[in-house]
Amino acid sequence: EIVLTQSPATLSVSPGEGATLSCRASQRVSINYIAWYQQTPGQAPRLLIYGASKRATGVPARFIGSGSGTNFTLTISSLEPEDFAVYFCQQRYDGPPTFGPGTKVDIK
Amino acid sequence: EVQLVESGGVLVQPGGSLRLSCAASGFTFSSYEMNWVRRAPGKGLEWVSYISTSGSTIYYADSVKGRFTISRDNAKNSLYLQMNGLGAEDTAVYFCARENLNYGDYVFDYWGQGTLVTVSS
Repeated sequence: EIVLTQSPATLSVSPGEGATLSCRASQRVSINYIAWYQQTPGQAPRLLIYGASKRATGVPARFIGSGSGTNFTLTISSLEPEDFAVYFCQQRYDGPPTFGPGTKVDIK
Repeated sequence: EVQLVESGGVLVQPGGSLRLSCAASGFTFSSYEMNWVRRAPGKGLEWVSYISTSGSTIYYADSVKGRFTISRDNAKNSLYLQMNGLGAEDTAVYFCARENLNYGDYVFDYWGQGTLVTVSS
C-alpha cells in the first residue's frame, strides 16, 4: 500500500498570500493517479485537482497542482477567505486508493 | 444539481450493526461507480468500499473486509453500507462519493455531507 505524507501539518497564511502544500508518496506514483481535495468543517470534501495538475470543473485557476515521481505540490496562488480548509492528496496508482493525513490551512 | 445525502449514522455499541444509506439525485445514478469513504476524528480520509454500476464488482479496504457489505439499488437511486461487528476503530464520519471516470479511477467528484457513526459503550 502506498503511504502518502503531507507537509506541513498546519500552514498559517494571511488572505491574499500564497500557500504551497506538499504531498510525498512512499513509492513512485504516475501523475495520472494523484488528486487533491479540499474540506472545510462540516462540509463535503471537494475535488480540486486530478491527474496531478488538472483542475476539476469549476475550480479557480489559483489552485495549481504539480509534481511527479514521489513528490507532488498543491499551490494556492492567493488565498481567498473560502480557501481556509484542510487539503488532502490521494493516490490510486497501486493497491487501494489512499489519502494523505491532510494539511490544514488556517488564517494567520 | 448533484446531491448525495447520507443517513443512518448513530451511536452504537461495540459489536453492533448499522446500515448506512446514501440517496442520490441530480444525475443518472446507475451510470456511476460509487464508493464509501470515512474520516475518523482527528484523522485523514480512508477509502472503505467500491461498487460498480451494476453492483457486480465490489472491493473493500482490508480494515472492513468481512464485516461491511456495500450494495446499491439503482431503481431507488440509493447506495448502502451494511456494517457488522463494529469496533471503536470504526467511529468516523462516513461519506458516499461518486466516482467520475472522466477524471480517472477512484477520483471522487461529488461527496455527501457525511453521517456520523460512533461506536461506544
